[in-house]
Amino acid sequence: AQTVTQSQPEMSVQEAETVTLSCTYDTSESDYYLFWYKQPPSRQMILVIRQEAYKQQNATENRFSVNFQKAAKSFSLKISDSQLGDAAMYFCAYRTNYGGATNKLIFGTGTLLAVQP
Amino acid sequence: DGGITQSPKYLFRKEGQNVTLSCEQNLNHDAMYWYRQDPGQGLRLIYYSQIVNDFQKGDIAEGYSVSREKKESFPLTVTSAQKNPTAFYLCASSNTGRKLNTEAFFGQGTRLTVV
Repeated sequence: AQTVTQSQPEMSVQEAETVTLSCTYDTSESDYYLFWYKQPPSRQMILVIRQEAYKQQNATENRFSVNFQKAAKSFSLKISDSQLGDAAMYFCAYRTNYGGATNKLIFGTGTLLAVQP
Repeated sequence: DGGITQSPKYLFRKEGQNVTLSCEQNLNHDAMYWYRQDPGQGLRLIYYSQIVNDFQKGDIAEGYSVSREKKESFPLTVTSAQKNPTAFYLCASSNTGRKLNTEAFFGQGTRLTVV
């Protein structure tokens, strides 16, 4: 069964600095998607970035980028020029690309990011 | 506008009662999911469905039931067999397989409290 692990329950960063959130996963599949979601205090889940496993190039979205290491099964999120609005819970998630009953979307336990002014 | 709607936002249940949480999507997504969120435990999968009239148990299905009679609807019933139902519940939907816009879209959640 697939698992997603976030080993940092809490992180803190100074405004305008860079922070990296860690995520590792375990799977025997080769075709899958990885995601980072943000959950602010409103509790609305917001997609930050997605990565397709068959693409070697790391995804980027403005100040957010990932370091995808497929062999190591690692998928870290880097936030550059941190802003106060980045403070939230961040979840790493995995979804297979195969259809059928195994097509689950599973999440890690989250990392709570605080941004200090 | 396309989206996913959960209702109600807040729900109170008496001990021994069954309650049903609503989840509707107009995104034409095949897959729908229910998650439970407790402090420090992230999102735990309760049930998921890839197609109408079919669904599978997630990691914590005991005490819950679902139905998928329509593509756009995936209601969750919290039964009296669920011993600790107080939690925040999130519904999500997504495309399946290799398609554009593969991410899951989430509702705004339902906060269930046992009184």
